[in-house]
Amino acid sequence: SAVISQKPSRDICQRGTSLTIQCQVDSQVTMMFWYRQQPGQSLTLIATANQGSEATYESGFVIDKFPISRPNLTFSTLTVSNMSPEDSSIYLCSVFFDPYSYNEQFFGPGTRLTVL
Amino acid sequence: GNSVTQMEGPVTLSEEAFLTINCTYTATGYPSLFWYVQYPGEGLQLLLKATKADDKGSNKGFEATYRKETTSFHLEKGSVQVSDSAVYFCALSEENFNKFYFGSGTKLNVKP
Repeated sequence: SAVISQKPSRDICQRGTSLTIQCQVDSQVTMMFWYRQQPGQSLTLIATANQGSEATYESGFVIDKFPISRPNLTFSTLTVSNMSPEDSSIYLCSVFFDPYSYNEQFFGPGTRLTVL
Repeated sequence: GNSVTQMEGPVTLSEEAFLTINCTYTATGYPSLFWYVQYPGEGLQLLLKATKADDKGSNKGFEATYRKETTSFHLEKGSVQVSDSAVYFCALSEENFNKFYFGSGTKLNVKP
């Protein structure tokens, strides 16, 4: 298994500003993902964070709005840019080990973002 | 494409009642199936999983059987407790496990 931490755990931000969320894992992982969970809804995959290269974004999400970095195998950041109230959500980092040994995703505790 | 459909909540039960949360899926190939649980104020935790047809996943008194013929993975528990109150998500992963698809979640409220 993995211990995953996210910072900050929650934040309240003003419209038009940006927030960077950090995800730290206690061991090296092959894959890292970022999800959004809007109030009362399910999880939506934003992107796959690729180590050493640009993230792979899902339909409806773009790099200018959600830039992602992954400088090594244990750390990633997600930035929510030029925020609006519609960006108020829980943002979750998840990780995945060798898919042939651990066929499950482990999730961080989430970052609860409120945009005013 | 791949998708997961869960019964809508909230589901409200009395303690020691029997629980069923329905989950059906659409997938190409041979997906793995999962139930995740999210307790209030916390992140998602894996509850149980099944990787092939007829497998039964079980944990903490919860069970779910991978039924390929009905494309279902219903979650059951014989006697719920107040501490089981949470949101339950059904999910599937593609064969290479690179992508997960989540259902909409079902909120369970268990009253003493």
